[in-house]
Amino acid sequence: QVHLQESGPGLAKPSETLSLTCTVSGYSISSGNYWAWIRQSPGKGLEWLASIYYTGSTYYSPSLKSRITMSVDTSKNQFSLNLSSVTAADTAIYYCARERQSCSSLSCPFGPWGQGILVTVSS
Amino acid sequence: DIQMTQSPSTLSASVGDRVTINCRASQSIGSWLAWYQYKPGKAPNLLIYKASSLENGVPSRFSGSGSGTDFTLTISSLQPDDFATYYCQQYKSSSRTFGQGTKVEIK
Repeated sequence: QVHLQESGPGLAKPSETLSLTCTVSGYSISSGNYWAWIRQSPGKGLEWLASIYYTGSTYYSPSLKSRITMSVDTSKNQFSLNLSSVTAADTAIYYCARERQSCSSLSCPFGPWGQGILVTVSS
Repeated sequence: DIQMTQSPSTLSASVGDRVTINCRASQSIGSWLAWYQYKPGKAPNLLIYKASSLENGVPSRFSGSGSGTDFTLTISSLQPDDFATYYCQQYKSSSRTFGQGTKVEIK
């Protein structure tokens, strides 16, 4: 069974770079799916941030493109998110998720998801 | 970006009620729409994909319909476990976008 687990610091200071990692178990990250980061800010809805293929091909949210970098480590079956110049507005629960395969569209639905990690941006 | 707009934002209902949630896309997305259930502290759960296909293991009281720009999620008989927030998401575009969510509350 596929399992995703987010890890990283729960607290970041303003202007710093937030780094999160998602570890995938029970499934090879090289199996042909995209892998994604999604967040939910307090009182707001879900926001897709970025997606990556095991080859390193990426898609980024246009609104965050200048601050986001995703990477993948197939040897560890992990993928990561770096979000630079964080502010209080980046305080959120961050989720990693697998995108389905072979959707005949430019992207696919998300499933399964990790449990999420709360990241607070505060000095 | 394709904008997704859900209505209503909040819905108050009782156990056994039929519940309908709407989702509108700013441009045609064909049938490339998914619905998710979200409960605080839990991983979001895929309910419906391709507008009307029920995900494995999801109860049959959930159904989806629509195409183009207008979509609907229906819960035929609301159960206690269904009080949650529901999101639609388009995946026609490489820039994936969600609706703002509909919270289903106990009446």
